[in-house]
Amino acid sequence: AQSVTQLDSQVPVFEEAPVELRCNYSSSVSVYLFWYVQYPNQGLQLLLKYLSGSTLVESINGFEAEFNKSQTSFHLRKPSVHISDTAEYFCAVTLRASQGNLIFGKGTKLSVKP
Amino acid sequence: EPEVTQTPSHQVTQMGQEVILRCVPISNHLYFYWYRQILGQKVEFLVSFYNNEISEKSEIFDDQFSVERPDGSNFTLKIRSTKLEDSAMYFCASRKEARTGTGSYEQYFGPGTRLTVT
Repeated sequence: AQSVTQLDSQVPVFEEAPVELRCNYSSSVSVYLFWYVQYPNQGLQLLLKYLSGSTLVESINGFEAEFNKSQTSFHLRKPSVHISDTAEYFCAVTLRASQGNLIFGKGTKLSVKP
Repeated sequence: EPEVTQTPSHQVTQMGQEVILRCVPISNHLYFYWYRQILGQKVEFLVSFYNNEISEKSEIFDDQFSVERPDGSNFTLKIRSTKLEDSAMYFCASRKEARTGTGSYEQYFGPGTRLTVT
């Protein structure tokens, strides 16, 4: 069975500092990988995804994630965070042969302090 | 920009009662999903729906649960006899692609309905 592990439940960081949110997955078959973000009192929004091709994917607001097949990881990074990045971040996978249902990690709460 | 909407935002019900959670997916989307998140735990897949029938469901989605697309716009999740452990945030999501293995696989989520069973 597939699973997603987000080792850090909470990550406090100061504004303009770099951050890495870790995600590891377990699957015996090919998967697609996603990062979703949830701002307070809102639904989940897609931040970025890896389907195929370049292993480094970027979002429009400066986040990036790198798919590492050998380490089965898809860590999320940002070189300089803003207060507005404070949110909960969820890593998710879906099987390539499935109906697209997502398997989520437990989430990481990113708290950016001034 | 089109979005997925859910009503109500918060539902309080007594144990044993039936509840219906409502969702309006994005209008040209073809795949629909329900997920739930128990407080402090991960978001869990419940069911996917395509072409007017359930396409996949998880172990959580037992006989107490059902889904329906009663008209061209609504997608509902019914819990027949609620239990305390059904208390959770329920998310609806929709996706556009017509065929698996193609497209972006991007799911659009609603803001959720918080269900509290007392």
